[in-house]
Amino acid sequence: NAGVMQNPRHLVRRRGQEARLRCSPMKGHSHVYWYRQLPEEGLKFMVYLQKENIIDESGMPKERFSAEFPKEGPSILRIQQVVRGDSAAYFCASSGTGDQPQHFGDGTRLSIL
Amino acid sequence: GQQLNQSPQSMFIQEGEDVSMNCTSSSIFNTWLWYKQDPGEGPVLLIALYKAGELTSNGRLTAQFGITRKDSFLNISASIPSDVGIYFCAGQSTNFGNEKLTFGTGTRLTIIP
Repeated sequence: NAGVMQNPRHLVRRRGQEARLRCSPMKGHSHVYWYRQLPEEGLKFMVYLQKENIIDESGMPKERFSAEFPKEGPSILRIQQVVRGDSAAYFCASSGTGDQPQHFGDGTRLSIL
Repeated sequence: GQQLNQSPQSMFIQEGEDVSMNCTSSSIFNTWLWYKQDPGEGPVLLIALYKAGELTSNGRLTAQFGITRKDSFLNISASIPSDVGIYFCAGQSTNFGNEKLTFGTGTRLTIIP
């Protein structure tokens, strides 16, 4: 799906465990965005990162959620001590510079038992 | 916060029919985007609009950026089975790609045999 790679595609965790979601942007893109989608709803913005910097985290829950985009390697969305309400599809998008639009990966579907 | 309302929520049409859907906002956006999402996949970019009044086509798809900058429209001509899916509008406050997207609530398109 436009070259943005997310893994795993499906992730099952028990309440209280940690979930790590990975995203590799399209080649040449240095801007990464994370969105969450609940069933039958639109995508909701969580966080926007550039290499080693968080640019906008206005959509990120204040507790248990964190994101990083290190100098080397994929961007990681980390959810600590997961609860049932964290069950959702998490999508990553990337963009280049200027007016290039965002392209999305196929998402990680997180299920909490 | 900003909200995007899409209508209709769902459409049931016959193959070959034309389709129209729209998206309205409570505030101004300077970029409008239309995405299509198939089950189990991420949103795929269909059309990007950067200028008020702009009319842009992509094959059988045509989208318009409303003059007020608070709405956008998507038309699909001569629908085919692969048009089935959920269509999302998304807005950005700037003309640059490097900013969060605000998504609409989606229009689900179903083709009746």
